[in-house]
Amino acid sequence: AQKVTQAQTEISVVEKEDVTLDCVYETRDTTYYLFWYKQPPSGELVFLIRRNSFDEQNEISGRYSWNFQKSTSSFNFTITASQVVDSAVYFCALSEADAGNMLTFGGGTRLMVKP
Amino acid sequence: DAEITQSPRHKITETGRQVTLACHQTWNHNNMFWYRQDLGHGLRLIHYSYGVQDTNKGEVSDGYSVSRSNTEDLPLTLESAASSQTSVYFCASSAGTSGSTDTQYFGPGTRLTVL
Repeated sequence: AQKVTQAQTEISVVEKEDVTLDCVYETRDTTYYLFWYKQPPSGELVFLIRRNSFDEQNEISGRYSWNFQKSTSSFNFTITASQVVDSAVYFCALSEADAGNMLTFGGGTRLMVKP
Repeated sequence: DAEITQSPRHKITETGRQVTLACHQTWNHNNMFWYRQDLGHGLRLIHYSYGVQDTNKGEVSDGYSVSRSNTEDLPLTLESAASSQTSVYFCASSAGTSGSTDTQYFGPGTRLTVL
């Protein structure tokens, strides 16, 4: 069975600090997909990134970067020079190729960026 | 622009009443999903559909039903609302054929309170 763990329930940083959100997953499948979503205070879920299990290249998008390491079953998310607008709950999710398109979510990490 | 909408955005109902939450997408996506979000549990899958006339149970399907009569809509029905079903409900959709692991895009959510 697939499982996603986000051990950090809440993180508080001061603006301009770098912050890393951890995500550890469990799966028996060799083909799977990992996702990050952002849920700002307004409540909607915003897609950030999708990564398949065969692509271990790190990804950078502006101040956001993702580090995928199959050896440790982790898919961590780093925000560089955090801003108040980054305050949100961030969810990591996993989808196994054999499980259709079903997502298993982690419990989420609430990030608070203080000015 | 194509989008996914949910209605109502907020609903208060009484125990034992039947409630239907609407989900409508204009992306022409084959796959549609219903999740509930509760504190401490992240998002959990209730029901999903890979196409017209196709419906499947998710992790927490008891007390809920769905029907898919067209591509655009997947209404979620609570047959007899219970206080344990007080939650925020999210609808999502994704492209691709049944089982393909495409990115899911979420609606704005419906906050349901059962008194």
